Amino acid sequence: GAVVSQHPSRVICKSGTSVKIECRSLDFQATTMFWYRQFPKQSLMLMATSNEGSKATYEQGVEKDKFLINHASLTLSTLTVTSAHPEDSSFYICSARDWDAGETDTQYFGPGTRLTVL
Amino acid sequence: GQNIDQPTEMTATEGAIVQINCTYQTSGFNGLFWYQQHAGEAPTFLSYNVLDGLEEKGRFSSFLSRSKGYSYLLLKELQMKDSASYLCAVMDSNYQLIWGAGTKLIIKP
Repeated sequence: GAVVSQHPSRVICKSGTSVKIECRSLDFQATTMFWYRQFPKQSLMLMATSNEGSKATYEQGVEKDKFLINHASLTLSTLTVTSAHPEDSSFYICSARDWDAGETDTQYFGPGTRLTVL
Repeated sequence: GQNIDQPTEMTATEGAIVQINCTYQTSGFNGLFWYQQHAGEAPTFLSYNVLDGLEEKGRFSSFLSRSKGYSYLLLKELQMKDSASYLCAVMDSNYQLIWGAGTKLIIKP
């Protein structure tokens, strides 16, 4: 099956610093990638939809200047948490959709990145 | 390697019961999640099992056997709105989520 990876798997940073998280589709081209935030035992909260070569679409309430998303290639999307604060500590998950396969509804999820801001 | 298996697609009748199985082989175990995902929407949390046994939550129940690497999601009194994909995910020893490919559940009247 299709594989999505994330790097790093976990990161600890100081308040005020920026952190970049990478999401890669390893064996398929993903024209669309999604970024989610997950709180313990809760549903995944969609933050933004990232389309290759265009600006990301952010969900209501998500600050686009704080959560910078870049989808520069068909296999890589990055999420940069700028000026991170302790309340940004969370589990960030990406997913990717393979349009070429004709699977319009199927998303392949990454393993997640645990961010801890001190 | 790490692996999660669940059926690709299942069909059931409105009002009936359906069981969606999930088997896993992971490096360590820190809990198993079930999510429901409707087309075009974010996954919705259904259950989290970390100990063996059955957990019931309304029409949905989830079972876990750690020794067998096995879980199932049981849906009772099926409704048309239950038509969705059901994702099984295991958190491994590094607290990374290993995802199944999802089971597409089709409910027929």
